[in-house]
Amino acid sequence: NAGVTQTPKFQVLKTGQSMTLQCAQDMNHNSMYWYRQDPGMGLRLIYYSASEGTTDKGEVPNGYNVSRLNKREFSLRLESAAPSQTSVYFCASRSGTYNEQFFGPGTRLTVL
Amino acid sequence: QKEVEQNSGPLSVPEGAIASLNCTYSDRGSQSFFWYRQYSGKSPELIMSIYSNGDKEDGRFTAQLNKASQYVSLLIRDSQPSDSATYLCAGPRTTDSWGKLQFGAGTQVVVTP
Repeated sequence: NAGVTQTPKFQVLKTGQSMTLQCAQDMNHNSMYWYRQDPGMGLRLIYYSASEGTTDKGEVPNGYNVSRLNKREFSLRLESAAPSQTSVYFCASRSGTYNEQFFGPGTRLTVL
Repeated sequence: QKEVEQNSGPLSVPEGAIASLNCTYSDRGSQSFFWYRQYSGKSPELIMSIYSNGDKEDGRFTAQLNKASQYVSLLIRDSQPSDSATYLCAGPRTTDSWGKLQFGAGTQVVVTP
């Protein structure tokens, strides 16, 4: 099992460009999450999906949109990238039994 | 007040010694806590889960939960240079039923040979 996978690993964008970060999990988990991690700020929740077909905002949703494509896949879209969105983005999925979350390898995004 | 708080460190520990990390939380209703290890440039990796008061041991790691005092700790025995990482404490929001976690900012541990 691959666990949680993310693509791409690295990305450089110019201000105003758009892109989609992809996430997939093969653990049959219902819930999936997108976080960003910035120095000194810890992990902050952007959006989450409690189950296939549902999505909801987290702490820092502005400038982002998400799509829960199916049970396996949860994508994060930046419609018009800004330098403030330079960060490391992690996708996670949750074991429903014990609330444990498992993280993907991350995407390091730089917006110039 | 942050809901989950940790000392940022760095915590310097001689090789072979015990590293002691602490985390306090504000949500009295939280029932379970998790410790994640994060190496520089890598993603958080779950290393311990604890669901009830008391101690839980797994290899060189021991997690302790004290609900009355609202703290959770992680002990790393016989610390090795490979334990040098940032350790994140996380607990759920009891007002939330969708499994969202609150993460501390992390404690950096440096094990010196």
